Amino acid sequence: DAKTTQPNSMESNEEEPVHLPCNHSTISGTDYIHWYRQLPSQGPEYVIHGLTSNVNNRMASLAIAEDRKSSTLILHRATLRDAAVYYCILRDPPGSQGNLIFGKGTKLSVKP
Amino acid sequence: GAVVSQHPSWVICKSGTSVKIECRSLDFQATTMFWYRQFPKQSLMLMATSNEGSKATYEQGVEKDKFLINHASLTLSTLTVTSAHPEDSSFYICSARDARGRFSTGELFFGEGSRLTVL
Repeated sequence: DAKTTQPNSMESNEEEPVHLPCNHSTISGTDYIHWYRQLPSQGPEYVIHGLTSNVNNRMASLAIAEDRKSSTLILHRATLRDAAVYYCILRDPPGSQGNLIFGKGTKLSVKP
Repeated sequence: GAVVSQHPSWVICKSGTSVKIECRSLDFQATTMFWYRQFPKQSLMLMATSNEGSKATYEQGVEKDKFLINHASLTLSTLTVTSAHPEDSSFYICSARDARGRFSTGELFFGEGSRLTVL
């Protein structure tokens, strides 16, 4: 799996948008960009994924650079419950049998 | 979304004893489950891939005789930590994928994790 680079930590204020960056300069043409998050003392949970186009779901938005070498996870209004470690992961197309390889992720702190 | 359940959520045991952790997919069938281990303030590290009806595939450096994995059905995989020692204390997490691909995202579903403390 290609490597991703994320900041170790970020801070946000409650109710404000949060932009979590991820660099993946060695991404291949078939790699999908996945985001998972892990709340304290819990297993990770899926957030969003995309290939080339920007994606939106009920949890977040994913903005993918035109050259696909970077992406940004956007939380439109951070809440205290969004405090977690966010992992940006590249992997094979959906339906493949591979596992997820986790990097260090970005620890997001949300201040009231 | 799909649900993966782990049991127990936490366990404390004496050094030298064995501990079994169960991972169940509650509303879907999973031909493949993955077991991860996470030490404090570190990321998840894949230990092994559990395949239903066949032997598990272990990552380099993971002792297969110490971490016994059984995947006897499409909804249950178990991890047994044999002769546990304090250095085995960790957060163990399983994940699974819907074998029938109902979820188009191809996402993996994770259990809540099991925290093992070996005294």
